[in-house]
Amino acid sequence: TQLLEQSPQFLSIQEGENLTVYCNSSSVFSSLQWYRQEPGEGPVLLVTVVTGGEVKKLKRLTFQFGDARKDSSLHITAAQPGDTGLYLCAATTWQGGGSNYKLTFGKGTLLTVNP
Amino acid sequence: DSGVTQTPKHLITATGQRVTLRCSPRSGDLSVYWYQQSLDQGLQFLIQYYNGEERAKGNILERFSAQQFPDLHSELNLSSLELGDSALYFCASSVVGGHNSPLHFGNGTRLTVT
Repeated sequence: TQLLEQSPQFLSIQEGENLTVYCNSSSVFSSLQWYRQEPGEGPVLLVTVVTGGEVKKLKRLTFQFGDARKDSSLHITAAQPGDTGLYLCAATTWQGGGSNYKLTFGKGTLLTVNP
Repeated sequence: DSGVTQTPKHLITATGQRVTLRCSPRSGDLSVYWYQQSLDQGLQFLIQYYNGEERAKGNILERFSAQQFPDLHSELNLSSLELGDSALYFCASSVVGGHNSPLHFGNGTRLTVT
């Protein structure tokens, strides 16, 4: 069972459209991060959300952390071809001990924005 | 540019062989993480080191081992390679190993086992 379920798995849209991708789990998380990965490169951090109900905006991207800290969404307004990439959510889980945390990734949503 | 350097970029080898992947973390980062990325499993955490010591272990096979050296660079050793080990291997680094520390990823090593 995947700890983090991301949906949809694939999304192909036209330039200018809006979209929302989701990251869901049955577990409560200390924090949740969103990354974007482009072909041939490693993931790049977009945002970290920590507080339940938190909303963060990064230009045309809006990130929301669920009130119960079990889920998150990423909304993109007026998508552009440069937004194309694999969007990954990652959640922190405590492994025990003093500060022993592990970052677990979902499988991602592969977004293609066509010109 | 994340500041994390991984070498080599591509590696092609045969089953049964052993390879070493190398990672230089971002300047100032003490923690190094190794991840394996495949199409079916996604990005899987393998192991984390902090200032030379193992901090956390994930789904790392016994055929795989890693270490972090005094200069903080890290190596991931993969032995008795199997076809299923073909994947992208990413190294990431962070300042500390705390739960809110952002990870800075290298561009990966693409391993192909034939």
